[in-house]
Amino acid sequence: EAGVAQSPRYKIIEKRQSVAFWCNPISGHATLYWYQQILGQGPKLLIQFQNNGVVDDSQLPKDRFSAERLKGVDSTLKIQPAKLEDSAVYLCASSWTPMNTEAFFGQGTRLTVV
Amino acid sequence: ELKVEQNPLFLSMQEGKNYTIYCNYSTTSDRLYWYRQDPGKSLESLFVLLSNGAVKQEGRLMASLDTKARLSTLHITAAVHDLSATYFCAVGDAGGTSYGKLTFGQGTILTVHP
Repeated sequence: EAGVAQSPRYKIIEKRQSVAFWCNPISGHATLYWYQQILGQGPKLLIQFQNNGVVDDSQLPKDRFSAERLKGVDSTLKIQPAKLEDSAVYLCASSWTPMNTEAFFGQGTRLTVV
Repeated sequence: ELKVEQNPLFLSMQEGKNYTIYCNYSTTSDRLYWYRQDPGKSLESLFVLLSNGAVKQEGRLMASLDTKARLSTLHITAAVHDLSATYFCAVGDAGGTSYGKLTFGQGTILTVHP
């Protein structure tokens, strides 16, 4: 079974620029998550989708971050404008449902804001 | 708010020795996960623990869960160099609309020396 696909793998941008990340979950997985992992820390949930609806976005900085999951499959996460503190790895994960026991993580996108 | 604490945060071991990583969490949960992360890589699921007293073993790693004490342990037996990585515990949100959300510990950086 193919895993969670993310692109790009790496991105370097200047502060105040915008950037977008893409995620393709495992086929059939209804639940999709975006996590932010700052260097030296554990991942932190930014947003959780169930199909194409948002379940939890309480920790998403909505003044600059946005995410969508069109048609309940692929998802994009956007940052506009980026700040230095947004430098992190952005991990996408998916599971069959929230009740399912396991989420599978993609390789992540490493963002560096200079 | 669910908080997850791991200790130690850094662990330097000699090959052949045994050690335990501890994971404490602050509120009731019915799911606990252990993940491994190699440098520059994504998260690899090691164990899923779903009930009080659950114990799972894979090779030199054994994980257990005590839901009453809100404590999980990851025991390493006769460490080998290949186990060098960062280990995270993650606790599942117990209910409401955030079911599925994982709260991660800070991670334990394990280095195994010859």
